[in-house]
This record gives sequence, C-alpha cells and structure tokens, in this order.
Amino acid sequence: DIVMTQSPDSLAVSLGERATINCKSSQSVFFSSNNKNYLAWYQHKIGQPPKLLIYWASTRESGVPERFSGSGSGTDFTLTISSLQAEDAAVYYCQHYYSTPPYTFGQGTKLEI
Amino acid sequence: QVTLRESGPALVKPTQTLTLTCTFSGFSLSTSGMSVTWIRQPPGKALEWLALINWDDDEYYSTSLETRLTISKGTSKNQVVLTMTNMDPLDTATYYCARMVQGLKDGLDVWGQGTTVTVSS
Repeated sequence: DIVMTQSPDSLAVSLGERATINCKSSQSVFFSSNNKNYLAWYQHKIGQPPKLLIYWASTRESGVPERFSGSGSGTDFTLTISSLQAEDAAVYYCQHYYSTPPYTFGQGTKLEI
Repeated sequence: QVTLRESGPALVKPTQTLTLTCTFSGFSLSTSGMSVTWIRQPPGKALEWLALINWDDDEYYSTSLETRLTISKGTSKNQVVLTMTNMDPLDTATYYCARMVQGLKDGLDVWGQGTTVTVSS
C-alpha cells in the first residue's frame, strides 16, 4: 500500500497569513502517460463530511476559493492557503488515487486560526 | 444533483456483523468510470479508506480490513452495501460513502453526511 504522510500534524496561523501543509507519498503517484499526479486534498470540519478541495494535485474543485492551491509532483505535495480566513479552520487530508486501491489518506493536519 | 446517504444501525454489539447501506441519486453506478467508496473516521482519529466498488463490479478493500469487509451493489440500482464482520469497539466510527468519477476528477467529489456507529455491549 502507498503510505501518505502529512506534516505538520497541526499548525496555528494568524488571520490573513499563509498556511502550508505538506504531504509525502511512499511511492510516486505520477502517471507519465497522462502527465497527472493522482492526489487530492480535502477539508474536514467538525459535524460535516469532508469536502474535496483539490484534485490532480493542483486543480481546484468548482466553488473552492482561489486562496486554496495545490502543488507538487511525484512524491511531494503541498496545499497552500493564502490569506487565511476564520472559516478555514479545519483538518486537512491528502489522499492518493494512483493505480488500484486502496486509496489511502494521510493522517491529517489540524489547522487552527 | 448528486446526493449520497448512509443508513444502518447506530449501535451494534461486539462480534456482530454491521451492514451499512449507501443510497445515492443523481448518477448511475453503471456508467463507465463511476465508483462508490466507503470511508470511516473513529472519534478523534483520521479518515480511513475502507472499500470501493466500481461500474464494472470490481471490488477493492483496505489491506488491514479485507478479511472482514464485503462491498456490493444493492438490490436497488442506486444502493451500495458494506458489511463488516466481527465488530469490535475499535470499529466505533462515523462511516461515510462517497462518489468517485475515475478519469474525470478521481477525487471523492460528493460525500454523504455520514452515519455514526457505536460498538458496545
């Protein structure tokens, strides 16, 4: 199985500042045949189901604010939230969907504002 | 509009078998690329991927739980059923089902609200 490791486990960032969350996969999730990284980011708030933010490592889901961006390739990925808003407080997860399942999640990063 | 909804018992006893149903609308699981995934979150812990079934009836399972899990399409065309045998208090969690459209986004783009299952005698 591909192991997804996020860092840090938690972070506190002030309103209006930038937050950076890292995700590392135990093997590459890049498909050279279509030039895509098979990685997604989710936001999970208490009492709600997780919400897809980013897919293909850097494509923002419809309706997701532009302050959320994804980058990286191969085994190392980053979710950046620029100009933090109060409503961004949540736990963030990365997940791979490379090749065949299981499509494992990272352990989560708790973001406090 | 795509929706998914989980249903099942809120309380099960240790050693019992849990059966959860995901009822969905707004898409067909017969369409190429469609799949439904089950995920759970124990209290205070991370999301855990459990199982997936796709349009072609392929089934995939968590490596650590595959001996206890079965995913299947329900008798109704808009349902997916997950069974988990030999339930333990450590299986107490909120269980979610979610849709994945492979080849389009491949992320889990629509989730159910989740159903909470407590395992206790």
